[in-house]
Amino acid sequence: EVLLVESGGGLVQPGGSLRLSCAASGFTFSSYEMSWVRQAPGKGLEWVSYISDSGTFTYNADSVKGRFTISRDNAKNSLYLEMNSLRAEDTAVYYCARDRLAYFDHWGQGILVTVSS
Amino acid sequence: IVLTQSPATLSLSPGERATLSCRASQSVGNFLAWYQQKPGQAPRLLIYDASNRAAGIPARFSGSGSGTDFTLTISSLEPEDFAVYYCQQRSDWLRKTFGQGTKVEIK
Repeated sequence: EVLLVESGGGLVQPGGSLRLSCAASGFTFSSYEMSWVRQAPGKGLEWVSYISDSGTFTYNADSVKGRFTISRDNAKNSLYLEMNSLRAEDTAVYYCARDRLAYFDHWGQGILVTVSS
Repeated sequence: IVLTQSPATLSLSPGERATLSCRASQSVGNFLAWYQQKPGQAPRLLIYDASNRAAGIPARFSGSGSGTDFTLTISSLEPEDFAVYYCQQRSDWLRKTFGQGTKVEIK
């Protein structure tokens, strides 16, 4: 069974930093591209960041470009999202998702990030 | 690419047919997916490449369309189908976008 479990969320002040982690199991992690998708409270879904299976290629949405960095450790079956210069509008549930041919076929349960003073 | 879903809310009774629309601001070929999201849960992939059901998805869910106009049909609503549905395009695969969602609620 494919399992994705996010951790590292919480409350952070505007301008602060946070690092999200996603532990993957039940599939060959190193063979799959991965993404982070977020959902602001009561709002729709927004793709945030993508990483290739090897980790050599990454791409971010314009809304987080220059502030967020996606990375992975295939030896640890883990995906990460380093978030800097956080803003109130970054408040959302962040989902780790398996990115299969640019569709998201498996999702974690999500982790809440709240940016507030 | 902007995806516009309609209607915003669909009020139907169990057993009825649901027809959801997704329109793209430019052609996405058949590179469109549909997801279902229930309150407090992560989204679930239902349909990919416009008309292919994902693994384990019941046959009452079907997708159609190409280019700019797409439809998700639920042939006969079950109680567990009342949820929010999102479309997503991968035509511009570096800038994947979602529609704003259609809520299917119990009438």
